[in-house]
Amino acid sequence: AAGVIQSPRHLIKEKRETATLKCYPIPRHDTVYWYQQGPGQDPQFLISFYEKMQSDKGSIPDRFSAQQFSDYHSELNMSSLELGDSALYFCASSPGVAGTDTQYFGPGTRLTVL
Amino acid sequence: AQSVTQLGSHVSVSEGALVLLRCNYSSSVPPYLFWYVQYPNQGLQLLLKYTTGATLVKGINGFEAEFKKSETSFHLTKPSAHMSDAAEYFCAVTTLSGYALNFGKGTSLLVTP
Repeated sequence: AAGVIQSPRHLIKEKRETATLKCYPIPRHDTVYWYQQGPGQDPQFLISFYEKMQSDKGSIPDRFSAQQFSDYHSELNMSSLELGDSALYFCASSPGVAGTDTQYFGPGTRLTVL
Repeated sequence: AQSVTQLGSHVSVSEGALVLLRCNYSSSVPPYLFWYVQYPNQGLQLLLKYTTGATLVKGINGFEAEFKKSETSFHLTKPSAHMSDAAEYFCAVTTLSGYALNFGKGTSLLVTP
């Protein structure tokens, strides 16, 4: 079965640089969530989209922005990177925005900021 | 706000022994509860979820969990641990708006021979 695809899988950036992470949801899933997992931490919700509109916002820094495109893929844009942004970034997709809908997670993008 | 607390950041069991991972929730409204497993350097995989209906929920890989409203608990169990069960386990609850997952701090399960 098709799964959530994230690219790149690994990314190394310098401080103050920008990064773009991409997420391709499971076909026919219209909802995308972004989570950040620091080393040894639990995943923290950043932002979500439903039908190309932002549906919820969590602890996303102002330096970060995201959008969902017409084909439902999503991109997380990160600017002025800081050392503390080093983390695993997960994208999850679901077939709807209801609380009962299962979120299917991608393999994550490991971002390292030097 | 809704939240979950996982008791025990590390749990060690012998192969073949009972696995019990504890999760308590806090919610002012009926919660939706989930257990996810994360293997090293991988994404999160859903083990099981409780939304409504039957309070004993069966998941993949022989895991099950029971929703106990009186105890505000959703503990994860497996009768017999296997070496391949060694992983990080996260309990999660959905929020009131947008249905993003609020995760617990996670429990690392170690299975010894």
